[in-house]
Amino acid sequence: DTGVSQDPRHKITKRGQNVTFRCDPISEHNRLYWYRQTLGQGPEFLTYFQNEAQLEKSRLLSDRFSAERPKGSFSTLEIQRTEQGDSAMYLCASSGQGDTGELFFGEGSRLTVL
Amino acid sequence: AQSVTQLGSHVSVSEGALVLLRCNYSSSVPPYLFWYVQYPNQGLQLLLKYTSAATLVKGINGFEAEFKKSETSFHLTKPSAHMSDAAEYFCAVGAGNQFYFGTGTSLTVIP
Repeated sequence: DTGVSQDPRHKITKRGQNVTFRCDPISEHNRLYWYRQTLGQGPEFLTYFQNEAQLEKSRLLSDRFSAERPKGSFSTLEIQRTEQGDSAMYLCASSGQGDTGELFFGEGSRLTVL
Repeated sequence: AQSVTQLGSHVSVSEGALVLLRCNYSSSVPPYLFWYVQYPNQGLQLLLKYTSAATLVKGINGFEAEFKKSETSFHLTKPSAHMSDAAEYFCAVGAGNQFYFGTGTSLTVIP
């Protein structure tokens, strides 16, 4: 399967711990997005990469959040000192068809902070 | 600025009945519009997209949507609901390299 893959699918952690999520986009896609989705809400934009460059970050992305895409392929999203409010589904999507291209989503990584 | 409003967070229809999910958008530039579907514990899948080629857009699973500029709407319809259509539906607007999603409409299909 050559779709977007995310790992892990589920993560349960204690408040104050660090967590890292990985996203492998569709191989020929140069754009990669991270979104956060909470219950009953639509995806909220967190950050966006074009190749290895992080071009935009939402103000939702506090200084406890960091994202990288070191070689323009896979990306990681790290949350430091997790808080209960960080509990959500973290969605990764990729795109490569220009400005009209749709997003292709992974199945998400669900984070539960106890 | 771009935004999307989905009217009705929950819609219930009987199996075989018409499905109508409403979406209104706000965009300062000609919009690209999308409908996505999300099944439980899964990511979002594209149903259809409007990119100015035709105002009536046909998608997968028998869904279609009509772009109405005068009403700034992009409502999703399906003539006959099937049990497998039960899911969360999201309307989105794309501008440049950014995408903005509505809060979603949960569709329940009653047998």
